[in-house]
Formats: sequence, C-alpha cells, structure tokens
Amino acid sequence: AQSVTQPDIHITVSEGASLELRCNYSYGATPYLFWYVQSPGQGLQLLLKYFSGDTLVQGIKGFEAEFKRSQSSFNLRKPSVHWSDAAEYFCAAFIQGAQKLVFGQGTRLTINP
Amino acid sequence: GAVVSQHPSWVICKSGTSVKIECRSLDFQATTMFWYRQFPKQSLMLMATSNEGSKATYEQGVEKDKFLINHASLTLSTLTVTSAHPEDSSFYICSGPGGQGSPDTQYFGPGTRLTVL
Repeated sequence: AQSVTQPDIHITVSEGASLELRCNYSYGATPYLFWYVQSPGQGLQLLLKYFSGDTLVQGIKGFEAEFKRSQSSFNLRKPSVHWSDAAEYFCAAFIQGAQKLVFGQGTRLTINP
Repeated sequence: GAVVSQHPSWVICKSGTSVKIECRSLDFQATTMFWYRQFPKQSLMLMATSNEGSKATYEQGVEKDKFLINHASLTLSTLTVTSAHPEDSSFYICSGPGGQGSPDTQYFGPGTRLTVL
C-alpha cells in the first residue's frame, strides 16, 4: 500500500541552526510529493512540491527539499531556522491512481531560543 | 495560492445534535473537494471526496450516514455530522485542488474544531 513515513515525531533545534526533516514514501512510481506546514489552530500551508525535473526544489520561507529516488526520500531542509518556524510539518504524496493525498504522521518542530 | 474558507472555525454542540460545516473555494471552482479529520497531535486522515453534482466517495471505515457530504455548487461543499457523539470531536479540514495547471496541489481551509459535549 502507498504510504508516507516521517520517522521523527518531534525535533528540537536552536534558533539559527540548520534543519532537516525526513520523509520517506512507499509507492511503485514516483508520486507527486509535498511539504505542508501547520501552525497551531491553523490550516495547512503549502511549502513546496515536487512533480518532476530538478530534484532540488525551493519553497517559501527559505525551505528546500531534495527528492532522492534511490532512497525513496523527500527531506525538507532549511539552513537557518527562525523562532517562527515552530510548527507541525507534514510530508504528503499525491497518489495518482487513487487521486488523493496520503499524509505522513507529521513532525513537530520546536525552536529553542 | 488558492483560498479556501471554512465556517464555522469552531463549534460546540450537545450529543445527539447535528452540525454542518461549510467549505468554500473563494477564488477557484472545484468539481472535487476533500474532507479530512485530524485528531490532536495526529496526522490528517482523508474521510471522503466530495464531487459536485454527484455522491461523495467515502474512505473505508467512514460512516456515510453519519458524515453527510453535499457538494451543491462548484464553490461550496458541506459536511454534516449527524447525531454527534463525543468521539466525533475532532478538527475537520477541507481542501480543494489549486485550479488550472496544478490539479494535484491541494489548498486547505483553516479547519473547524468540533467539540461534542
């Protein structure tokens, strides 16, 4: 079955430090991949997406993600986090056959001052 | 990006009553919209796909008679939780595709927090 896995439930980093959030997918073909961010009580905001082409994609708020087919991964990165980046981050895959999004479990990011 | 609104943003109701949640696409038309449920500190689980002018498609395990979905127009989908019980308390989120050129990109509403007493 198609699935998305985010191995880290909770990550804490210091403000100004670099960040990498992991995401792995299980799917026969290359799915469309997304990263969303959810602030407390808020809806999901799209950070970036990968459909095809350049495997390093740039998103909003200084985030980027790299698609690695050999590792079935789509990790999210940011070189220097800000306190406002504290939120829940969701990796998702659009399964074309089923025409629906499948979400990972989410990673809660805490920023230490 | 595209804008999706939900109303109400939060609602408290008594057990046994029904609650209607509206999801509107403000700047695009959507023949399909999606309804998700999110429990505290958990991920989003797709409940159903709302189809304009036809019946919704429910995910396995979702009671279609309990969660009534109506997609009356290209900009409005509604979810009615019938005979609500405390276990229905959750955060309900809708989404719609981002229009031309990005049909696979979903834009999400801000969510509706339902508390059933």
